[in-house]
Amino acid sequence: GESVGLHLPTLSVQEGDNSIINCAYSNSASDYFIWYKQESGKGPQFIIDIRSNMDKRQGQRVTVLLNKTVKHLSLQIAATQPGDSAVYFCAENGMNRDDKIIFGKGTRLHILP
Amino acid sequence: EAQVTQNPRYLITVTGKKLTVTCSQNMNHEYMSWYRQDPGLGLRQIYYSMNVEVTDKGDVPEGYKVSRKEKRNFPLILESPSPNQTSLYFCASSLGGTSYEQYFGPGTRLTVT
Repeated sequence: GESVGLHLPTLSVQEGDNSIINCAYSNSASDYFIWYKQESGKGPQFIIDIRSNMDKRQGQRVTVLLNKTVKHLSLQIAATQPGDSAVYFCAENGMNRDDKIIFGKGTRLHILP
Repeated sequence: EAQVTQNPRYLITVTGKKLTVTCSQNMNHEYMSWYRQDPGLGLRQIYYSMNVEVTDKGDVPEGYKVSRKEKRNFPLILESPSPNQTSLYFCASSLGGTSYEQYFGPGTRLTVT
């Protein structure tokens, strides 16, 4: 597999439990936030997004929470499965959708049998 | 099948030998972007393009060139590669700007000796 996941924070979760992955973002003017999942040997894959005028958004088995007061973003995965093993990245961009997108360093999710 | 393709997937080259990594998408997306991924640094944006003939620098553009002559193609050019450009490169595209879901290619592993 690729070596990009070295030295990442790792979250180990029992299969079937819920996972919570946290991310602190840097720009208080950021308007749009995205979570990506990257499996070994593959490119990042979009999971869910949220705009700054929302504080919660739900998808299939995933929920993203946004706390603008403390510039914190979290991704909750319900009933974690082996296929959820991956590196998860949060990303942000500014008010102008032409702005550059900034990725976080990533968190590795490890599923325990 | 909707996809982003990159070629080559793996490349080992020597310092100073010009190379091009191709990127193509078949989704009629306006926005395309190049990222590099390094251990401990996450994904960093190199260049992006909002549309044909429109390109802008990302966070780490030094040593790279891009062109966008056609909507579907966005090649990354290294005129004189150096060892510090050894990295994993990803191309991505989206419907229109960073505020839309980005689709990533499978990655190109480049080693410059």
